[in-house]
Amino acid sequence: GQNIDQPTEMTATEGAIVQINCTYQTSGFNGLFWYQQHAGEAPTFLSYNVLDGLEEKGRFSSFLSRSKGYSYLLLKELQMKDSASYLCAVRFPGGYNKLIFGAGTRLAVHP
Amino acid sequence: ETGVTQSPTHLIKTRGQQVTLRCSSQSGHNTVSWYQQALGQGPQFIFQYYREEENGRGNFPPRFSGLQFPNYSSELNVNALELDDSALYLCASSWDKGTDTQYFGPGTRLTVL
Repeated sequence: GQNIDQPTEMTATEGAIVQINCTYQTSGFNGLFWYQQHAGEAPTFLSYNVLDGLEEKGRFSSFLSRSKGYSYLLLKELQMKDSASYLCAVRFPGGYNKLIFGAGTRLAVHP
Repeated sequence: ETGVTQSPTHLIKTRGQQVTLRCSSQSGHNTVSWYQQALGQGPQFIFQYYREEENGRGNFPPRFSGLQFPNYSSELNVNALELDDSALYLCASSWDKGTDTQYFGPGTRLTVL
C-alpha cells in the first residue's frame, strides 16, 4: 500500500525555527508537495520538490531525498499565523494528477 | 485566494439521499480533481476530470460520480449517502492533467445524519 508518515502534532515558539518531517513509501513518485491548511479552510500550496535537494521560498524551505523517501519542511521566524496543519503529499506518475496525502502535522505556535 | 470556488459551503443530508457539489476552476485551468477529507485526516483522491473526461479514479465506489462541463467547471455527485460520507469535499484545479500544481477551493462541508 501507499504510506506517508508525518508527526501528528508539534509545538514551537514564536520567532523560532521548526522542521516537520515526512517519510513516504509509495509505488510511484512524481514529486512531493507541502500544503498549509488552517482549520476549516482549503489547503494552500507551499512548496514542490521533484529533484533531491533544498528549495527555499522566503521563510519556508523544503528538502527532498528520493533515495531515503524523506522530505522536510522548514519554517523560520515562526509567527502566530503559522499555527495550522501541514500536509505532505506525493504525486503519482501515470498521466493524471493524483496526490496521496499524509494525515498532516498540526503545528501550534505559542508566544 | 486561488480563484477556485465551490458551492455550497455547508450541506446537511440524511442517509440514503443524493447530493451534488459544484466547483468552478481557476481561469485557464482545464483539470479538476476531487478529494474527500475526513476530520483529522489528509485529503483522499476521489477522481480527476480533464477536458470533460474522467482521467483517473481513486478507491471510491461507483456511487461517487462526476461531470466536467465545457467551461471546465465540475460537479461531484454522491448517491445513497452513508454516514461515513460526512467530510469536507475539496476540489482542486490545475492547467495540466499530470504535472501542474493543484490549487484548492474552500471546500464543501457535508454532514450526513
